[in-house]
Amino acid sequence: DIQMTQSPSSLSASVGDRVTITCRASQSISNYLNWYQQRPGKPPRLLIYAASRLQSGVPSRFSGSGSGTDFTLTITSLHPEDFAIYYCQHSFIIPITFGPGTRLEIK
Amino acid sequence: EVHLMESGGAVVQPGGSLRLSCAASGFTFDDYPMEWVRLSPGKGLEWVSRISWDGGSIHYADSVKGRFTVSRDNSRNFLVLQMNSLRPEDTALYYCVRADVGTEGGHFFDFWGQGTLVTVSS
Repeated sequence: DIQMTQSPSSLSASVGDRVTITCRASQSISNYLNWYQQRPGKPPRLLIYAASRLQSGVPSRFSGSGSGTDFTLTITSLHPEDFAIYYCQHSFIIPITFGPGTRLEIK
Repeated sequence: EVHLMESGGAVVQPGGSLRLSCAASGFTFDDYPMEWVRLSPGKGLEWVSRISWDGGSIHYADSVKGRFTVSRDNSRNFLVLQMNSLRPEDTALYYCVRADVGTEGGHFFDFWGQGTLVTVSS
């Protein structure tokens, strides 16, 4: 199975800050990498698919990059509603696996 | 508007069975593969199963293979997960998820239900 790791596991930031979350795959997954946001009590929400494609309806302050094994999710100018858990996920082969999540908290 | 509504979650003893259902609306159900994903405090998000648009291709996580069975009824827009021989480690919030496929071939999960809670405990 492909293992996904994320760093940091948690992050404190302020409204208006720029943050970057990193995801690494245990083997190359081309660009088959997706990012999700999960707020408390809500299901995950797709933000980015195919490493860099912004899902319809997601604000442009979210962006993704990377290919192969190393990927990043960047949020420019944090809004209050952005404080949540972020997960990466590969879809290169079965089984699909998720990263352990990065908790983004208000400083 | 896409809507996915899960039902069937309950408290069940180890070794028991449950049948989860997902009612889909707001899209052409048989155009999309469907997935089950679960969320547990100890394990985070875990992919459980995928079924292709016509049910002809099915995949399971190793942790549930041989115990869980996924099926779909495209005439009624329903997805089902039959869960047998349940274990305490199956305790989780189970999400019904619509999958789509990008132009380069990778699946992504674009719509999620609210989830149904399964608790396996004696």
